[in-house]
Amino acid sequence: DAGVIQSPRHEVTEMGQEVTLRCKPISGHDYLFWYRQTMMRGLELLIYFNNNVPIDDSGMPEDRFSAKMPNASFSTLKIQPSEPRDSAVYFCASSLGQGRTGELFFGEGSRLTVL
Amino acid sequence: AQSVAQPEDQVNVAEGNPLTVKCTYSVSGNPYLFWYVQYPNRGLQFLLKYITGDNLVKGSYGFEAEFNKSQTSFHLKKPSALVSDSALYFCAVRDILTGGGNKLTFGTGTQLKVEL
Repeated sequence: DAGVIQSPRHEVTEMGQEVTLRCKPISGHDYLFWYRQTMMRGLELLIYFNNNVPIDDSGMPEDRFSAKMPNASFSTLKIQPSEPRDSAVYFCASSLGQGRTGELFFGEGSRLTVL
Repeated sequence: AQSVAQPEDQVNVAEGNPLTVKCTYSVSGNPYLFWYVQYPNRGLQFLLKYITGDNLVKGSYGFEAEFNKSQTSFHLKKPSALVSDSALYFCAVRDILTGGGNKLTFGTGTQLKVEL
């Protein structure tokens, strides 16, 4: 398997623009997680899905952030409108549930810079 | 609620010396414990895990970790450090009693620097 695939790897945009980050989890995994990593706040869980259904979105910073998982092989994280404080590396991760031990497999991340 | 603490922001060690990266945890029930490593500009990679059984678990790249229930610790160790071990290390915990599926709680990370 190719692992968790994220795109774009790098995104530079201007404040106020819409940003869409994409993730393809490992085939067969039933959990998908979105994390944000910054120097100041470390690694933060934004939202996670189980079988394409959002389970916990308490980490989503505000209404400007939204995430969807229309099918088992694709998820998006959207920021609209973007702000400079959204600059971070956004990671997608997937895992197998159903009684498994739950280790996560991370993508390479999407580095977002909002000017 | 589950939480994990990594008390050291950075650990420096000379190549060939043993290394220890500390982690303590807090859970309501029994923990699943994990160590991940992150190299620059890369995603986190799984190193090892403790689920049950032997308190000493062995993982990738010669790393091992010791689960200590009385001290609620899960320190990462390696007998002989390499310069290539320099990276950011994260401890994570999952409380198997609470809900939340496979939700892991990560520590703040410890930067390991191995020098010649």
